[in-house]
Amino acid sequence: SQQGEEDPQALSIQEGENATMNCSYKTSINNLQWYRQNSGRGLVHLILIRSNEREKHSGRLRVTLDTSKKSSSLLITASRAADTASYFCAPVQYGGATNKLIFGTGTLLAVQP
Amino acid sequence: DTGVSQDPRHKITKRGQNVTFRCDPISEHNRLYWYRQTLGQGPEFLTYFQNEAQLEKSRLLSDRFSAERPKGSFSTLEIQRTEQGDSAMYLCASSLDPGEQYFGPGTRLTVT
Repeated sequence: SQQGEEDPQALSIQEGENATMNCSYKTSINNLQWYRQNSGRGLVHLILIRSNEREKHSGRLRVTLDTSKKSSSLLITASRAADTASYFCAPVQYGGATNKLIFGTGTLLAVQP
Repeated sequence: DTGVSQDPRHKITKRGQNVTFRCDPISEHNRLYWYRQTLGQGPEFLTYFQNEAQLEKSRLLSDRFSAERPKGSFSTLEIQRTEQGDSAMYLCASSLDPGEQYFGPGTRLTVT
């Protein structure tokens, strides 16, 4: 596995607006996962997108993957105050025994009511 | 909901003391991971079990750290002679396949 780099580091928006955060990685992947972490809590798995997929939806979440640019984006539509959290991406490359996740510093999203 | 559970949720200890954390993974998951997270950073991998076998240990896991997973069920992470630098959130995750990992709520350790 390899580390994903999230961008921006911090994002502040008003409730109801859309939030977009990006993830870049360096080598080929089998899948890429997005996680959310509320302050002081564990991580919650949001979406897994496979390398042969270009877009995936889950409720208000839309994830895109561009393997040619080695990047992914997470869009949260119609944001709510409860979406305030840190968001992490984790690119995964199979082949090792572990498939451990390597996280960057994440994007800290603040949704103002 | 039988998600990943961790115990205790918070631990305050004095420098030099030993501490032990427990993780109960989702019952059918054969893969179990420990991560450590400090403020403002993403989680960092510590160690990995497949069933009862510990297959990988990070260089972050000094000889003061030991982890076990007897019988491939719950896991324990022990830190001996704690130091202030050990203060962090310790996260456990489990998975069935090399896909999504399910995280527990974490154990927050404060070493005074």
